[in-house]
Amino acid sequence: AQSVTQLDSQVPVFEEAPVELRCNYSSSVSVYLFWYVQYPNQGLQLLLKYLSGSTLVESINGFEAEFNKSQTSFHLRKPSVHISDTAEYFCAVKREYGNKLVFGAGTILRVKS
Amino acid sequence: EAGVAQSPRYKIIEKRQSVAFWCNPISGHATLYWYQQILGQGPKLLIQFQNNGVVDDSQLPKDRFSAERLKGVDSTLKIQPAKLEDSAVYLCASSSRLARAGELFFGEGSRLTVL
Repeated sequence: AQSVTQLDSQVPVFEEAPVELRCNYSSSVSVYLFWYVQYPNQGLQLLLKYLSGSTLVESINGFEAEFNKSQTSFHLRKPSVHISDTAEYFCAVKREYGNKLVFGAGTILRVKS
Repeated sequence: EAGVAQSPRYKIIEKRQSVAFWCNPISGHATLYWYQQILGQGPKLLIQFQNNGVVDDSQLPKDRFSAERLKGVDSTLKIQPAKLEDSAVYLCASSSRLARAGELFFGEGSRLTVL
């Protein structure tokens, strides 16, 4: 079975600073990887995903994540954060030929001015 | 395009009472999911429907939880009787058969507090 570990429960950072949210997964088969974001009082939204091809994937709002198969990681990064990036971020994994999306425990990103 | 609708947004009940949550997925989405999100944890899949058939309910506590999707559209999740540990946000999500893998669309959730 797959599992996801998000190594930080909370990450405080100042505005315009870089940030990395860490995610490691465990699976014995090929997987798809995702980052979802949950802004305050809103539902979960897909931020970006890795299915195949280039190991570096980007979102429309400046986040990027790199799939590292040897380290079984899918860390999320942004070179310069904004106040509006304050949210909870969830890493998730799904077997390539499976149905179930398994989430990590989430990382709360708090951007301070 | 309307998103996934859930109701009620908030519910407070006492233990041993019953509660029901309703979900209307995005029009045309064949797959519907119910997730439970306990404070401080990631969402956990309770049940997955494909049209009106159950694909996965391996983590649904069937002694107290039930869910149905009779006409392959909207769905109801029921808890009877509720326990203190059922306090959580219940998330409904849907996806299209034609969507790339893992693209789930979530509702805003129904927050349950059991006293």
